[in-house]
Amino acid sequence: DVKVTQSSRYLVKRTGEKVFLECVQDMDHENMFWYRQDPGLGLRLIYFSYDVKMKEKGDIPEGYSVSREKKERFSLILESASTNQTSMYLCASEGQGGGNTEAFFGQGTRLTVV
Amino acid sequence: QQQVKQSPQSLIVQKGGISIINCAYENTAFDYFPWYQQFPGKGPALLIAIRPDVSEKKEGRFTISFNKSAKQFSLHIMDSQPGDSATYFCAASKGSNYQLIWGAGTKLIIKP
Repeated sequence: DVKVTQSSRYLVKRTGEKVFLECVQDMDHENMFWYRQDPGLGLRLIYFSYDVKMKEKGDIPEGYSVSREKKERFSLILESASTNQTSMYLCASEGQGGGNTEAFFGQGTRLTVV
Repeated sequence: QQQVKQSPQSLIVQKGGISIINCAYENTAFDYFPWYQQFPGKGPALLIAIRPDVSEKKEGRFTISFNKSAKQFSLHIMDSQPGDSATYFCAASKGSNYQLIWGAGTKLIIKP
């Protein structure tokens, strides 16, 4: 059974804190993604990675960075958390074939910045 | 041209009725159109997908209808059940080197 695991279901952080969201997949997938999900806005792509140590900006990368040191792990970093980054964060992975193949999602991390 | 427009934003259907969610796109290069289903507290999961060489694909109670000339595709849920209550996302992509472009989502509620 394929699995994408996000390290936390819920997080509460203070404004200005550095926040790490971790994602691990066990499917040996090349492609990994970080999205944020907000009501009425759907899924917005923050960053994605097609290979180890490789990253590409998505539609809303400002205020975020990512790290992919190992194929199975993709981390999202909020350098200095702000209240407008309060959101649901979803990690996904997909195999070769890219956008034409099934994307597998983690259960999400609901981040609240106070 | 990259957008996928999804409607309605929310939908309430009686148990046993037909739920219909619509999506429209502009980019004629899109060649893969999946629908994802998301239950509360879970990530989205692939429900059904279609490619533009067919006009309809059916899996159980779920059907995608695809109209290439109108650049529209829709999800039909027949005999809707309370367990179908979820958020549904349409998406599109244009080949293996491109990521999915997502619709805004539809929150579907099936009333018992």
